[in-house]
Amino acid sequence: DSGVTQTPKHLITATGQRVTLRCSPRSGDLSVYWYQQSLDQGLQFLIQYYNGEERAKGNILERFSAQQFPDLHSELNLSSLELGDSALYFCASSARQNSPLHFGNGTRLTVT
Amino acid sequence: DAKTTQPPSMDCAEGRAANLPCNHSTISGNEYVYWYRQIHSQGPQYIIHGLKNNETNEMASLIITEDRKSSTLILPHATLRDTAVYYCIVRAYSGGGADGLTFGKGTHLIIQP
Repeated sequence: DSGVTQTPKHLITATGQRVTLRCSPRSGDLSVYWYQQSLDQGLQFLIQYYNGEERAKGNILERFSAQQFPDLHSELNLSSLELGDSALYFCASSARQNSPLHFGNGTRLTVT
Repeated sequence: DAKTTQPPSMDCAEGRAANLPCNHSTISGNEYVYWYRQIHSQGPQYIIHGLKNNETNEMASLIITEDRKSSTLILPHATLRDTAVYYCIVRAYSGGGADGLTFGKGTHLIIQP
């Protein structure tokens, strides 16, 4: 158990809808990272937050957004969902700059 | 970050040592070598990391060549539960900016009974 909690574990929704994925980092970890893993793309970095502020953006679509709250949990919002957004979404956290990342077990999103 | 090259797949017999190679010939002086593994659809699991010295922990050993252009992850006594995709990642030391990980395709290690 990495200590990173993601909810829900599974999510099934229809095209055009909006969903919110939640991540609770390990206790005391200040950085949160979001990754997307689809069958054909591998693990892709989406976005990083550090202590509530956005630190880095990767291949995140404009339809997607994220935030990190004062209690350090993070949410990833996906809107106007398309079939191609079906994927595993992982959250990771790290204690401080350059520390190892520890990943949760992901949210499996299925868009029908 | 420097690019890494790993074999797409490897087999190893249960109980033997599994040696997973990684080439990172363009690695820079401030870049660390990290290893993660992902067991079918679970989140990637941190294994070990190092800069230039060999490292060992309860999971594995990491051997980095003197010129730092390649490394080997060693699982000393592989079990069936070690079957997974293993990722070798080169990560730059960040002075305050982005410090995420860039995953490649990894090596699918299959432990044979």
